[in-house]
Amino acid sequence: DTTVKQNPRYKLARVGKPVNLICSQTMNHDTMYWYQKKPNQAPKLLLFYYDKILNREADTFEKFQSSRPNNSFCSLYIGSAGLEYSAMYLCASSKGRQDTQYFGPGTRLLVL
Amino acid sequence: GEQVEQRPPHLSVREGDSAVITCTYTDPNSYYFFWYKQEPGASLQLLMKVFSSTEINEGQGFTVLLNKKDKRLSLNLTAAHPGDSAAYFCAVRHIASSSFSKLVFGQGTSLSVVP
Repeated sequence: DTTVKQNPRYKLARVGKPVNLICSQTMNHDTMYWYQKKPNQAPKLLLFYYDKILNREADTFEKFQSSRPNNSFCSLYIGSAGLEYSAMYLCASSKGRQDTQYFGPGTRLLVL
Repeated sequence: GEQVEQRPPHLSVREGDSAVITCTYTDPNSYYFFWYKQEPGASLQLLMKVFSSTEINEGQGFTVLLNKKDKRLSLNLTAAHPGDSAAYFCAVRHIASSSFSKLVFGQGTSLSVVP
């Protein structure tokens, strides 16, 4: 089973409010990733967990937080949503940082 | 850092015709290349993973060509059928640091195969 699950599939948020997105996988992968995808743009890596170590991309460092309470779950947290956060958020996982990434279906976030 | 340009953004072909999607990349040290397919409402599914030493890679109903000299990766769908209608993304594994390499994606191609 190479399934990565994401909840919710759709999320409506108000400007200034927090947003928490959830990802889970049962493949015992040690690495989990979060990407942001906007229309007509490439998926953009936001951050990833390698085991318990969080790595955030330099240009999104202050905009997103994440937690990984156990090997199977990983969350993406936005403390105060802005209009520019409206996008599809893709979660992926892999066994090792160099291995093939398996993607979830995404969460579509709309900030109003 | 690595930049990946994918063309065309939209492609419509008739059933039975071929469809070609191309990506160009900038870092000559990139060593793994990927094609993903995403059907509406579904996850990105891996079509093929290509190592830099292999120029021609055959899949079921498609071929992936890698031209390292020109830094170009192409997906060639032969005899396209309606089930091939989807978004396609190329990705290049880029060495971002001594301890980490990351996937850099193209912008995607929306393919429509009409009967």
